[in-house]
Amino acid sequence: GQQLNQSPQSMFIQEGEDVSMNCTSSSIFNTWLWYKQDPGEGPVLLIALYKAGELTSNGRLTAQFGITRKDSFLNISASIPSDVGIYFCAGTTGTASKLTFGTGTRLQVTL
Amino acid sequence: ETGVTQTPRHLVMGMTNKKSLKCEQHLGHNAMYWYKQSAKKPLELMFVYNFKEQTENNSVPSRFSPECPNSSHLFLHLHTLQPEDSALYLCASSQAQLGSSYNEQFFGPGTRLTVL
Repeated sequence: GQQLNQSPQSMFIQEGEDVSMNCTSSSIFNTWLWYKQDPGEGPVLLIALYKAGELTSNGRLTAQFGITRKDSFLNISASIPSDVGIYFCAGTTGTASKLTFGTGTRLQVTL
Repeated sequence: ETGVTQTPRHLVMGMTNKKSLKCEQHLGHNAMYWYKQSAKKPLELMFVYNFKEQTENNSVPSRFSPECPNSSHLFLHLHTLQPEDSALYLCASSQAQLGSSYNEQFFGPGTRLTVL
């Protein structure tokens, strides 16, 4: 099956710093998604990308759908304490109901 | 509040027990999903239901038995589980996924299952 390699596995940053994480695959994806999961909660969708090359922002978050359709990145600018959590990339290849998830990037923000 | 609720939030069971997980969505969706989230592993899709019909079974062992009596409710019946089945079980719902066009899945908070 498809695999998504997400990096880094974890990040420790200071408040105010920018963050970048990415996701790569050997397979072509039709949709790229970025989710955030807080402790004790389910994942929440942050950004959805539908076209190769698409660059989309949601507040301080920016994500891009790679032109090869095999990768995506998520940037967070000027991090704040509430950015703490686990960030997952996910994607669909054929059927839209079958999401493949990455292993997650755990983000810690220090004051 | 995501509109998807799951009960119980925590469950401890022995390998010979039978238990059920419940999921309810209040979003008017017609597709529901079960996922398994184990430590240090990606979320794994288990089952998909569209309009109460099971459309995906991702090679899940038969000791997990889903049930979808209507578009708002989804159950996962558990019996003779193994310790390696301990994980967070997440339910999600969405508008039905037609073809390759993605409709956002909304997740519940999960049930933390421990099998002794």
